[in-house]
Amino acid sequence: GQQLNQSPQSMFIQEGEDVSMNCTSSSIFNTWLWYKQEPGEGPVLLIALYKAGELTSNGRLTAQFGITRKDSFLNISASIPSDVGIYFCAGQASGTYKYIFGTGTRLKVLA
Amino acid sequence: NAGVTQTPKFQVLKTGQSMTLQCAQDMNHEYMSWYRQDPGMGLRLIHYSVGAGITDQGEVPNGYNVSRSTTEDFPLRLLSAAPSQTSVYFCASSYSSSGVTDTQYFGPGTRLTVL
Repeated sequence: GQQLNQSPQSMFIQEGEDVSMNCTSSSIFNTWLWYKQEPGEGPVLLIALYKAGELTSNGRLTAQFGITRKDSFLNISASIPSDVGIYFCAGQASGTYKYIFGTGTRLKVLA
Repeated sequence: NAGVTQTPKFQVLKTGQSMTLQCAQDMNHEYMSWYRQDPGMGLRLIHYSVGAGITDQGEVPNGYNVSRSTTEDFPLRLLSAAPSQTSVYFCASSYSSSGVTDTQYFGPGTRLTVL
């Protein structure tokens, strides 16, 4: 099935560093979502983006809806140990109810 | 609101057995969906529903059935379990209007092992 290309697959960073990850698609999307999943839990929504070029923040997290509508970026500033988890992007194309998910970025923060 | 609830949390089946995974939401969301999550594969859509009485297939529907008799409930049935169906199953729901769904909210998941 169709999936988004999400990179990097995993990251090991020091506490206090900034983190960047992105998702790219061959299709145009109308909505981009970013989720975080912790072990044994379901994904939890972090940020939703509805418009090309939109830049939205949620605390230390900032996400952008790419101008081409085929990509999105998530940045985490000044990482802390509780940022550990798997981050997923999801995109929704025009005229469809369905969301397509990326394969995830596994983040580990070293104290 | 309890949000999206799923039962059971864990399940072990033998090959060929059938079972139903339960999903319920109390947010009056029209759109509900089932995903499976396998290592390194992200979330893949199995089936979805845009309202009571309406269901459709996602990316990986084979071996699964769904029905939507009420707005609140969206059970997923495994007809004859196979080892390839060992996975973590997530149910999600969202508000939808005019063909567009809002952000999805996920349940805690059901961890299924098929021996």
